[in-house]
Amino acid sequence: SQTIHQWPATLVQPVGSPLSLECTVEGTSNPNLYWYRQAAGRGLQLLFYSVGIGQISSEVPQNLSASRPQDRQFILSSKKLLLSDSGFYLCAWSAKGNQPQHFGDGTRLSIL
Amino acid sequence: AQSVSQHNHHVILSEAASLELGCNYSYGGTVNLFWYVQYPGQHLQLLLKYFSGDPLVKGIKGFEAEFIKSKFSFNLRKPSVQWSDTAEYFCAVNARGATNKLIFGTGTLLAVQP
Repeated sequence: SQTIHQWPATLVQPVGSPLSLECTVEGTSNPNLYWYRQAAGRGLQLLFYSVGIGQISSEVPQNLSASRPQDRQFILSSKKLLLSDSGFYLCAWSAKGNQPQHFGDGTRLSIL
Repeated sequence: AQSVSQHNHHVILSEAASLELGCNYSYGGTVNLFWYVQYPGQHLQLLLKYFSGDPLVKGIKGFEAEFIKSKFSFNLRKPSVQWSDTAEYFCAVNARGATNKLIFGTGTLLAVQP
């Protein structure tokens, strides 16, 4: 069966520090991959998606970037974190075509 | 641009009460519709989905949703809620295509009192 792993679960970082959140999927190949940010009362906002290795699409302008160095690995990064980057970040995968997305457990990011 | 509206932000019910959570979307083309649920301390999981066919879809744990195309709605229902249904519920829509991008509503927090 397919599984999705995100880490770390919780992260506290100072303003201006770099960020790297990792997401990996097991049990499937060539998935679509997604990064979302969930804010209280604002639902989930799609940040990036990827349909293949090295293919990244950004949905909203921001201080973050994403990369997909391997088929089942999706990384969310920042060179310098801002206070506004605080939030709950979710990674998701789906099979190709009209398939539901499956979510990881999320990372709670706090910027001090 | 696509958007999803969930009008009930916070719902409080007693056990055995009936539930209906509203969801409306805006998009002119063909869509897939989803309800996701997030129980306290757990990850987001799929409750039910509509792709085509019978507009009344049944999901896990006794939930169902009805797609009414003329109203651009996909309301979630359950005849009798339980305390274990306490969770946050998200409606989502995607336009059919290769990227499968989901647009989520802002969520409805359901609290069921025993």
